[in-house]
Amino acid sequence: GDSVTQMEGPVTLSEEAFLTINCTYTATGYPSLFWYVQYPGEGLQLLLKATKADDKGSNKGFEATYRKETTSFHLEKGSVQVSDSAVYFCALKSGNTPLVFGKGTRLSVIA
Amino acid sequence: DTAVSQTPKYLVTQMGNDKSIKCEQNLGHDTMYWYKQDSKKFLKIMFSYNNKELIINETVPNRFSPKSPDKAHLNLHINSLELGDSAVYFCASSQIGLAGSNEQFFGPGTRLTVL
Repeated sequence: GDSVTQMEGPVTLSEEAFLTINCTYTATGYPSLFWYVQYPGEGLQLLLKATKADDKGSNKGFEATYRKETTSFHLEKGSVQVSDSAVYFCALKSGNTPLVFGKGTRLSVIA
Repeated sequence: DTAVSQTPKYLVTQMGNDKSIKCEQNLGHDTMYWYKQDSKKFLKIMFSYNNKELIINETVPNRFSPKSPDKAHLNLHINSLELGDSAVYFCASSQIGLAGSNEQFFGPGTRLTVL
């Protein structure tokens, strides 16, 4: 079945550092890809998405590009802030099936 | 207005009790879901309803019974609660379309603690 693998955390960075969280997927067909973010004590919020190969999703300075050849959707941000501290989930969706999530990566940004 | 709401936000109860968690969405979506997030933050689908009909039922004990009185509501009833049921439960909704990403919107979660 479909699956998502993302780098295990926790990831600890200093403010203004460059962030990469790796995500690769296995799916039949052509899934849509998502990054969700969960701030402490809150539910999941959609951060960005891409629906087809070579699409780039972006939001709040975060970016991820749908790479079909490497089945990847890595999340990047050029300069992280303390407020970016959260758990980040990579996810995919094929057709009408529910989201399949990765295990989440906890990011801690220190001032 | 809250798009997907859940009540209660926190639920603390004794083993063996029966409890319910309610979910409502005001987005006009036709599909609703329940996810369970364990202590390691791993999220797993439990149920999915489309137009009040059950379409996905993952390997979940039959102590868990979802009920959808209408398209806007999907409640989760849990019988004979066990320690291992302690988790955060998230409700979500989406609109199943012919094309597109079918983005899911999540509720704030219900933290269930079984003592």
